[in-house]
Amino acid sequence: SQTIHQWPATLVQPVGSPLSLECTVEGTSNPNLYWYRQAAGRGLQLLFYSVGIGQISSEVPQNLSASRPQDRQFILSSKKLLLSDSSFYLCAWRRSGNSPLHFGNGTRLTVT
Amino acid sequence: GQNIDQPTEMTATEGAIVQINCTYQTSGFNGLFWYQQHAGEAPTFLSYNVLDGLEEKGRFSSFLSRSKGYSYLLLKELQMKDSASYLCAVRDRSGAGSYQLTFGKGTKLSVIP
Repeated sequence: SQTIHQWPATLVQPVGSPLSLECTVEGTSNPNLYWYRQAAGRGLQLLFYSVGIGQISSEVPQNLSASRPQDRQFILSSKKLLLSDSSFYLCAWRRSGNSPLHFGNGTRLTVT
Repeated sequence: GQNIDQPTEMTATEGAIVQINCTYQTSGFNGLFWYQQHAGEAPTFLSYNVLDGLEEKGRFSSFLSRSKGYSYLLLKELQMKDSASYLCAVRDRSGAGSYQLTFGKGTKLSVIP
């Protein structure tokens, strides 16, 4: 069976510090990978998606970036965090076609 | 899904039936998904509709009318553990030409004894 791992579960970072959130998927090959953000009381916002190694599409321009160095690894980064980056970040994967998204457990990021 | 509407909150009684509606406006429609999200947790997949009609899965059913841009999630025999947010999500063709999933803001369901 397929599993998705996302870490850390919680993170407190000062303004201006860098960020690296990691996500890996097991039990499948060539998954479509996604990073979403969910602010309190708001819907899920798609940040980045990737259909293959090194292929990253950005949906919302901001101070975040994503990379896919390996087939089943997806990384969300920032060089300098802003207070407004505080949110719940979710990694997700799915197969191609009409298959549903499957989410990791999420990372709650607080920027202080 | 560029415009997805669902009620913000609903309250229902344990053992009852509740229907959560979702309307959407989109082009290039390619399916509608329902997710359940408990507070502080990640969403989990509940159901998928791409053709008109009702899909039943245990206590949960989901209905779709593509011509009306309308779906509902029906929860029967409500249990306290069903208290959660229910997210409607529409898959359609994004500006880049690929299919993407856009989520509504969710309906927070409270089940009371």
